[in-house]
Amino acid sequence: DGGITQSPKYLFRKEGQNVTLSCEQNLNHDAMYWYRQDPGQGLRLIYYSQIVNDFQKGDIAEGYSVSREKKESFPLTVTSAQKNPTAFYLCASSSSPQGNEQYFGPGTRLTVT
Amino acid sequence: QKEVEQDPGPLSVPEGAIVSLNCTYSNSAFQYFMWYRQYSRKGPELLMYTYSSGNKEDGRFTAQVDKSSKYISLFIRDSQPSDSATYLCAMLKNNDMRFGAGTRLTVKP
Repeated sequence: DGGITQSPKYLFRKEGQNVTLSCEQNLNHDAMYWYRQDPGQGLRLIYYSQIVNDFQKGDIAEGYSVSREKKESFPLTVTSAQKNPTAFYLCASSSSPQGNEQYFGPGTRLTVT
Repeated sequence: QKEVEQDPGPLSVPEGAIVSLNCTYSNSAFQYFMWYRQYSRKGPELLMYTYSSGNKEDGRFTAQVDKSSKYISLFIRDSQPSDSATYLCAMLKNNDMRFGAGTRLTVKP
């Protein structure tokens, strides 16, 4: 089965702890993206990567970090510097250099207390 | 003013109705226009994307783009209860995707 997997589905952390969210794809897509979704708001771009070992900040990169060591994987770390980390995090990938036709994973719901 | 405006609804229609979902935008640099469907607590699913002004049809779904008015629409014909979801419009320029807040649709049997 081809697709994008995110794990875990639900994640709970204490304030002040870093946490890493997993995103894996077997679609052979070059580009990968991380978004966060908050109630009543559209998805907002955190980071994206068009190629291995390269990534770009999105609108809300502060308090987050990423790596792209393999084409298939694009993990997101939510650091303690992120002021409001509780959200639904979505990973996407695209075969297009322009970023159209982005396909999303099932998401990870992160709750920080 | 937000770059992409979408009426959040909620919108409730009877089964079989024609549904019209709309978004407006302010940035004329957007090149691609997408519609996603998102079921509760799931990732968005790409329904359609268009590049130019005009209509694009796929089964019961028709996407319409009017670049001169900065207005896009998604029409759903013969709506089904399984169409009940949140519909997100999205617009893209140079790998920068902007999403509407989503319209919540309920189709009642």
